[in-house]
Amino acid sequence: DVKVTQSSRYLVKRTGEKVFLECVQDMDHENMFWYRQDPGLGLRLIYFSYDVKMKEKGDIPEGYSVSREKKERFSLILESASTNQTSMYLCASRAPFPPLHFGNGTRLTVT
Amino acid sequence: AQTVTQSQPEMSVQEAETVTLSCTYDTSESDYYLFWYKQPPSRQMILVIRQEAYKQQNATENRFSVNFQKAAKSFSLKISDSQLGDAAMYFCANPGGSQGNLIFGKGTKLSVKP
Repeated sequence: DVKVTQSSRYLVKRTGEKVFLECVQDMDHENMFWYRQDPGLGLRLIYFSYDVKMKEKGDIPEGYSVSREKKERFSLILESASTNQTSMYLCASRAPFPPLHFGNGTRLTVT
Repeated sequence: AQTVTQSQPEMSVQEAETVTLSCTYDTSESDYYLFWYKQPPSRQMILVIRQEAYKQQNATENRFSVNFQKAAKSFSLKISDSQLGDAAMYFCANPGGSQGNLIFGKGTKLSVKP
Protein backbone atom coordinates (compact mmCIF):
# COMPACT_ATOMS: atom_id res chain seq x y z
CA ASP A 1 0.00 0.00 0.00
CA VAL A 2 1.05 3.54 -0.69
CA LYS A 3 1.99 5.44 2.42
CA VAL A 4 1.83 9.21 2.52
CA THR A 5 2.99 10.66 5.81
CA GLN A 6 2.41 14.19 7.02
CA SER A 7 4.75 15.08 9.83
CA SER A 8 2.23 16.79 12.11
CA ARG A 9 -1.40 16.06 12.88
CA TYR A 10 -1.91 19.36 14.69
CA LEU A 11 0.02 22.60 14.62
CA VAL A 12 -0.57 25.88 16.41
CA LYS A 13 1.39 28.86 15.15
CA ARG A 14 1.37 32.59 15.70
CA THR A 15 0.57 35.21 13.10
CA GLY A 16 3.67 36.14 11.15
CA GLU A 17 5.56 32.92 11.81
CA LYS A 18 7.11 30.94 8.99
CA VAL A 19 5.48 27.52 8.92
CA PHE A 20 6.65 24.32 7.26
CA LEU A 21 4.33 21.41 6.56
CA GLU A 22 6.13 18.26 5.52
CA CYS A 23 4.91 15.37 3.46
CA VAL A 24 6.72 12.15 2.54
CA GLN A 25 5.59 9.34 0.25
CA ASP A 26 7.16 5.92 -0.09
CA MET A 27 6.07 4.87 -3.59
CA ASP A 28 8.44 6.82 -5.82
CA HIS A 29 5.55 8.86 -7.23
CA GLU A 30 6.45 11.72 -9.52
CA ASN A 31 3.38 13.76 -8.70
CA MET A 32 2.65 15.30 -5.34
CA PHE A 33 -0.05 17.75 -4.28
CA TRP A 34 -1.02 20.06 -1.46
CA TYR A 35 -4.70 20.73 -0.85
CA ARG A 36 -6.46 22.89 1.65
CA GLN A 37 -9.78 21.69 3.08
CA ASP A 38 -12.34 24.05 4.59
CA PRO A 39 -15.94 23.29 5.63
CA GLY A 40 -18.37 23.92 2.81
CA LEU A 41 -15.58 24.51 0.30
CA GLY A 42 -14.28 20.99 -0.24
CA LEU A 43 -10.64 20.52 -1.19
CA ARG A 44 -8.81 23.23 -3.08
CA LEU A 45 -5.44 22.77 -4.72
CA ILE A 46 -2.65 25.00 -3.48
CA TYR A 47 0.38 23.68 -5.37
CA PHE A 48 1.53 20.54 -7.06
CA SER A 49 4.82 19.12 -8.21
CA TYR A 50 5.42 16.74 -11.09
CA ASP A 51 9.12 16.16 -10.49
CA VAL A 52 11.99 17.15 -8.25
CA LYS A 53 12.38 20.92 -8.21
CA MET A 54 9.33 21.31 -10.47
CA LYS A 55 6.18 22.97 -9.20
CA GLU A 56 3.02 24.55 -10.48
CA LYS A 57 0.46 26.78 -8.84
CA GLY A 58 -2.95 25.43 -8.13
CA ASP A 59 -6.13 27.37 -7.52
CA ILE A 60 -5.15 29.18 -4.30
CA PRO A 61 -1.35 29.65 -4.17
CA GLU A 62 -1.34 33.11 -2.59
CA GLY A 63 0.53 33.17 0.69
CA TYR A 64 2.11 29.76 0.12
CA SER A 65 5.23 28.35 -1.46
CA VAL A 66 6.54 24.81 -1.87
CA SER A 67 9.79 22.94 -2.02
CA ARG A 68 10.62 19.61 -3.58
CA GLU A 69 14.30 18.83 -3.25
CA LYS A 70 13.86 15.07 -3.14
CA LYS A 71 11.34 12.94 -4.96
CA GLU A 72 9.76 11.55 -1.82
CA ARG A 73 9.33 14.83 0.03
CA PHE A 74 7.09 17.79 -0.71
CA SER A 75 6.98 20.72 1.68
CA LEU A 76 4.39 23.45 1.97
CA ILE A 77 5.64 26.75 3.34
CA LEU A 78 3.62 29.57 4.80
CA GLU A 79 6.03 32.48 4.55
CA SER A 80 4.17 34.61 7.09
CA ALA A 81 1.24 32.79 8.63
CA SER A 82 -2.07 34.60 8.89
CA THR A 83 -5.29 33.71 10.67
CA ASN A 84 -7.06 33.08 7.37
CA GLN A 85 -4.66 30.22 6.77
CA THR A 86 -6.14 28.30 9.67
CA SER A 87 -7.32 25.16 7.94
CA MET A 88 -6.81 21.46 7.30
CA TYR A 89 -3.96 20.72 4.89
CA LEU A 90 -3.87 17.49 2.94
CA CYS A 91 -0.93 16.13 1.01
CA ALA A 92 -1.35 13.59 -1.76
CA SER A 93 0.78 11.70 -4.24
CA ARG A 94 0.05 9.95 -7.48
CA ALA A 95 1.64 7.53 -9.91
CA PRO A 96 1.35 8.35 -13.64
CA PHE A 97 -2.31 7.38 -13.45
CA PRO A 98 -4.99 8.14 -10.82
CA PRO A 99 -6.03 7.83 -8.04
CA LEU A 100 -4.51 10.19 -5.54
CA HIS A 101 -3.21 8.75 -2.28
CA PHE A 102 -3.63 11.03 0.72
CA GLY A 103 -1.89 11.62 4.00
CA ASN A 104 -3.76 11.99 7.29
CA GLY A 105 -3.88 15.75 7.14
CA THR A 106 -2.43 18.52 9.28
CA ARG A 107 -4.84 20.75 11.13
CA LEU A 108 -3.16 24.14 11.38
CA THR A 109 -4.36 26.86 13.71
CA VAL A 110 -2.88 30.34 13.38
CA THR A 111 -3.53 32.60 16.35
CA ALA B 1 -13.92 25.44 -16.14
CA GLN B 2 -14.19 21.93 -14.87
CA THR B 3 -16.52 21.62 -11.92
CA VAL B 4 -17.90 18.98 -9.59
CA THR B 5 -21.21 19.55 -7.81
CA GLN B 6 -22.57 17.66 -4.84
CA SER B 7 -26.01 19.04 -4.16
CA GLN B 8 -26.61 17.29 -0.82
CA PRO B 9 -24.57 18.83 2.03
CA GLU B 10 -25.95 16.25 4.47
CA MET B 11 -27.68 12.89 4.22
CA SER B 12 -28.93 10.41 6.75
CA VAL B 13 -29.64 6.70 6.45
CA GLN B 14 -30.86 3.98 8.76
CA GLU B 15 -28.44 1.17 9.42
CA ALA B 16 -28.87 -1.70 6.92
CA GLU B 17 -30.70 0.48 4.43
CA THR B 18 -29.57 1.95 1.12
CA VAL B 19 -28.59 5.53 0.38
CA THR B 20 -27.58 7.32 -2.79
CA LEU B 21 -25.28 10.32 -2.90
CA SER B 22 -25.46 12.56 -5.96
CA CYS B 23 -22.70 14.11 -8.01
CA THR B 24 -22.65 15.97 -11.29
CA TYR B 25 -19.57 17.19 -13.07
CA ASP B 26 -18.45 19.09 -16.07
CA THR B 27 -15.40 18.20 -18.11
CA SER B 28 -14.10 18.76 -21.61
CA GLU B 29 -12.16 15.51 -21.56
CA SER B 30 -13.32 12.54 -23.57
CA ASP B 31 -11.58 9.91 -21.50
CA TYR B 32 -11.31 10.33 -17.76
CA TYR B 33 -11.79 8.76 -14.37
CA LEU B 34 -14.29 9.64 -11.70
CA PHE B 35 -13.80 8.93 -8.04
CA TRP B 36 -15.61 8.79 -4.75
CA TYR B 37 -13.53 9.33 -1.64
CA LYS B 38 -14.59 8.83 1.96
CA GLN B 39 -13.24 10.91 4.83
CA PRO B 40 -14.11 9.56 8.28
CA PRO B 41 -13.42 11.52 11.48
CA SER B 42 -9.87 10.16 11.39
CA ARG B 43 -9.42 12.55 8.40
CA GLN B 44 -7.78 9.98 6.15
CA MET B 45 -9.13 10.33 2.62
CA ILE B 46 -9.92 6.82 1.46
CA LEU B 47 -10.70 5.87 -2.11
CA VAL B 48 -14.10 4.19 -2.19
CA ILE B 49 -14.62 3.53 -5.88
CA ARG B 50 -13.49 4.68 -9.30
CA GLN B 51 -15.15 4.69 -12.69
CA GLU B 52 -13.44 4.88 -16.06
CA ALA B 53 -15.50 7.02 -18.37
CA TYR B 54 -14.98 4.82 -21.42
CA LYS B 55 -16.46 1.82 -19.60
CA GLN B 56 -20.22 1.55 -19.87
CA GLN B 57 -20.49 -0.87 -16.99
CA ASN B 58 -21.01 0.74 -13.62
CA ALA B 59 -18.25 0.09 -11.11
CA THR B 60 -18.98 -1.96 -7.99
CA GLU B 61 -16.93 -2.52 -4.86
CA ASN B 62 -18.71 -4.74 -2.35
CA ARG B 63 -21.57 -2.65 -0.90
CA PHE B 64 -20.63 0.41 -2.95
CA SER B 65 -21.73 0.94 -6.52
CA VAL B 66 -22.08 3.85 -8.88
CA ASN B 67 -24.67 4.96 -11.37
CA PHE B 68 -22.65 6.58 -14.13
CA GLN B 69 -24.59 8.52 -16.73
CA LYS B 70 -21.96 9.90 -19.10
CA ALA B 71 -24.29 11.94 -21.30
CA ALA B 72 -25.87 13.57 -18.26
CA LYS B 73 -22.45 13.92 -16.55
CA SER B 74 -23.86 12.32 -13.46
CA PHE B 75 -21.98 10.02 -11.11
CA SER B 76 -23.93 8.94 -8.03
CA LEU B 77 -22.76 6.62 -5.27
CA LYS B 78 -25.03 3.96 -3.85
CA ILE B 79 -24.27 2.43 -0.48
CA SER B 80 -26.19 -0.75 0.25
CA ASP B 81 -26.69 -2.33 3.65
CA SER B 82 -25.36 0.80 5.35
CA GLN B 83 -23.15 0.27 8.37
CA LEU B 84 -22.25 2.58 11.25
CA GLY B 85 -18.71 2.71 9.90
CA ASP B 86 -19.97 4.28 6.68
CA ALA B 87 -20.62 7.55 8.52
CA ALA B 88 -18.22 10.06 6.99
CA MET B 89 -17.82 12.90 4.53
CA TYR B 90 -18.01 11.70 0.95
CA PHE B 91 -16.35 13.58 -1.86
CA CYS B 92 -16.86 13.13 -5.55
CA ALA B 93 -13.83 13.97 -7.70
CA ASN B 94 -12.98 14.37 -11.35
CA PRO B 95 -9.57 14.97 -12.89
CA GLY B 96 -9.05 18.51 -14.04
CA GLY B 97 -6.16 20.61 -15.22
CA SER B 98 -2.70 19.33 -15.86
CA GLN B 99 -0.79 16.55 -14.16
CA GLY B 100 -3.84 14.67 -12.95
CA ASN B 101 -4.99 17.09 -10.32
CA LEU B 102 -8.40 16.15 -8.94
CA ILE B 103 -11.25 18.62 -8.64
CA PHE B 104 -13.44 17.84 -5.66
CA GLY B 105 -17.03 18.55 -4.85
CA LYS B 106 -17.84 20.24 -1.56
CA GLY B 107 -18.76 16.97 0.05
CA THR B 108 -21.79 15.21 1.53
CA LYS B 109 -21.84 14.40 5.22
CA LEU B 110 -23.44 11.00 5.71
CA SER B 111 -24.89 10.00 9.08
CA VAL B 112 -25.90 6.42 9.80
CA LYS B 113 -28.57 5.88 12.44
CA PRO B 114 -28.54 2.66 14.48
